[in-house]
Amino acid sequence: KAGVTQTPRYLIKTRGQQVTLSCSPISGHRSVSWYQQTPGQGLQFLFEYFSETQRNKGNFPGRFSGRQFSNSRSEMNVSTLELGDSALYLCASSLVRRRTGRVGFNEQFFGPGTRLTVL
Amino acid sequence: DAKTTQPTSMDCAEGRAANLPCNHSTISGNEYVYWYRQIHSQGPQYIIHGLKNNETNEMASLIITEDRKSSTLILPHATLRDTAVYYCIVRGPYNNNDMRFGAGTRLTVKP
Repeated sequence: KAGVTQTPRYLIKTRGQQVTLSCSPISGHRSVSWYQQTPGQGLQFLFEYFSETQRNKGNFPGRFSGRQFSNSRSEMNVSTLELGDSALYLCASSLVRRRTGRVGFNEQFFGPGTRLTVL
Repeated sequence: DAKTTQPTSMDCAEGRAANLPCNHSTISGNEYVYWYRQIHSQGPQYIIHGLKNNETNEMASLIITEDRKSSTLILPHATLRDTAVYYCIVRGPYNNNDMRFGAGTRLTVKP
């Protein structure tokens, strides 16, 4: 079974531009979460999508948005890029338990990430 | 994660067992011990978890002390590809999107 894939792997943008990152979850997984990882802040949660609906949202400004398609693939968009947006953006896919709608802590599978550099 | 204490770094010879300790003296009764690792510039990878019994899977073994205040992750035959930062996390069983890890232990496997 193929793992989580993220494209592109590396991206260089300049301040003020916008960027779209893509994530394809593991086949059968319907939950996709996005995280930002920086050396100073560690791993911070951006948002989670399940069945094309945003189910949870972290504490990030509205410049960060996302969506999920009917095939569970997800995209996240960052508009008006700032230098501080330089980070590794990670996508994680999960199989949500039918009965409880929950995901075990160890049941998120991470992709390789997209390294975004804002100049 | 203030709940766990791990050494900053460790070295291990290739082919030998790597034993990574973790202290979690304030663990509560319903909290599990999880281990993740992160290879440079990749996403975190789940390794193993346990509640109170020792656990083993294809990647590693987890030894939890009887009082549950500390644990040891054992990689039985370390390879160069095991070089990574290893995180010990104490928390409940369900994901709430809080993936805050501590500083972890940087394990370097040397030839």
